[in-house]
Amino acid sequence: GDSVTQMEGPVTLSEEACLTINCTYTATGYPSLFWYVQYPGEGLQLLLKATKADDKGSNKGFEATYRKETTSFHLEKGSVQVSDSAVYFCALSDLDSNYQLIWGAGTKLIIKP
Amino acid sequence: GAVVSQHPSWVICKSGTSVKIECRSLDFQATTMFWYRQFPKQSLMLMATSNEGSKATYEQGVEKDKFLINHASLTLSTLTVTSAHPEDSSFYICSALPTSSYEQYFGPGTRLTVT
Repeated sequence: GDSVTQMEGPVTLSEEACLTINCTYTATGYPSLFWYVQYPGEGLQLLLKATKADDKGSNKGFEATYRKETTSFHLEKGSVQVSDSAVYFCALSDLDSNYQLIWGAGTKLIIKP
Repeated sequence: GAVVSQHPSWVICKSGTSVKIECRSLDFQATTMFWYRQFPKQSLMLMATSNEGSKATYEQGVEKDKFLINHASLTLSTLTVTSAHPEDSSFYICSALPTSSYEQYFGPGTRLTVT
């Protein structure tokens, strides 16, 4: 079945550092890919998404490109801020799973001033 | 647009009582809603898929008599935790899938504490 693997955390960076959180997936169909963010004490928010190969999702300075050849959807940001500290979840959904979201384990990001 | 609300946002109840959590799609219709449970520092665990007008589909290991789900309309699904015990304490999150869409929209979650 479909699955999502993302790098384990926590990831600790200094403010203004570059960020990459790796995410790879396996799917039989053509999934849509998502990054969700959960700030401390809050609910899940969709950060960005991509629905087909080579699409780039972007939001709040974060980017991720749907790479079918490497089955990846890595999350990147050029300069992180303390306010980016949160847990980030990679996920996919497709018709084969009746659009249920298949989740990665989550990566906790800690940004130090 | 595409706002999902949950009520209550947090609840404390005594062991043995039942608690109902509501999930509403405020500005769209959702044929399908999902209920998740999130343990501290862990990812979301799908509990059940709720389809309007039909019985919910529960994931393996989730007790359907313990976690009653009712999806009576295209904008409302409810999760009732019956005879709650301290081990049921958790963060419960719902999401709604708009009709003819592939993207789920999440509620803010409900923190349940059973004493």
